[in-house]
Amino acid sequence: GEDVEQSLFLSVREGDSSVINCTYTDSSSTYLYWYKQEPGAGLQLLTYIFSNMDMKQDQRLTVLLNKKDKHLSLRIADTQTGDSAIYFCAESHGSSNTGKLIFGQGTTLQVKP
Amino acid sequence: DGGITQSPKYLFRKEGQNVTLSCEQNLNHDAMYWYRQDPGQGLRLIYYSQIVNDFQKGDIAEGYSVSREKKESFPLTVTSAQKNPTAFYLCASSISYGGGRETQYFGPGTRLLVL
Repeated sequence: GEDVEQSLFLSVREGDSSVINCTYTDSSSTYLYWYKQEPGAGLQLLTYIFSNMDMKQDQRLTVLLNKKDKHLSLRIADTQTGDSAIYFCAESHGSSNTGKLIFGQGTTLQVKP
Repeated sequence: DGGITQSPKYLFRKEGQNVTLSCEQNLNHDAMYWYRQDPGQGLRLIYYSQIVNDFQKGDIAEGYSVSREKKESFPLTVTSAQKNPTAFYLCASSISYGGGRETQYFGPGTRLLVL
């Protein structure tokens, strides 16, 4: 079945790079997403990658996709205290005309000053 | 500004009471979704609507009901049959359901508490 797994917690120091990892099981995933959730708020779309891409960079964010290992990562360069939040990865299956997203359980990123 | 609004921010439910959570979008999106989030857990899909006047059950639809009479609006009713309604409820929308245009955008959420 479809499943998305993330580690639950990551702690880094301000100014360091953060790497949040995600694994998924369905090889037919079309898009893979990263969302950010701050306390008490909704989910904010950070970035997404199409399944035929290996890497996408957007300012401080770098997404790496390894389709062979079904592994997705989000690297945040120069992590700031404002980056403290829960980060969710999600996969979709656009090619099968299914709009359902499968979410991981979220990784809490703690940034220490 | 285009976006998704949810109201109220906090909602209190008494025993045996039905309550309705509002979700409105002005993004001209066809598809809309309701998720439930419990502490330390990911999002679980309650209901979704691919287009106006149509909706389908998600993974945890029992004790909930929805309607989609207008494109912009997708209200969720938490009925008295839902025995554990305390959670954070998130509404989302996408241009369409699938076909490569399923990127979902989320509202700010409603926290439901039981008195």
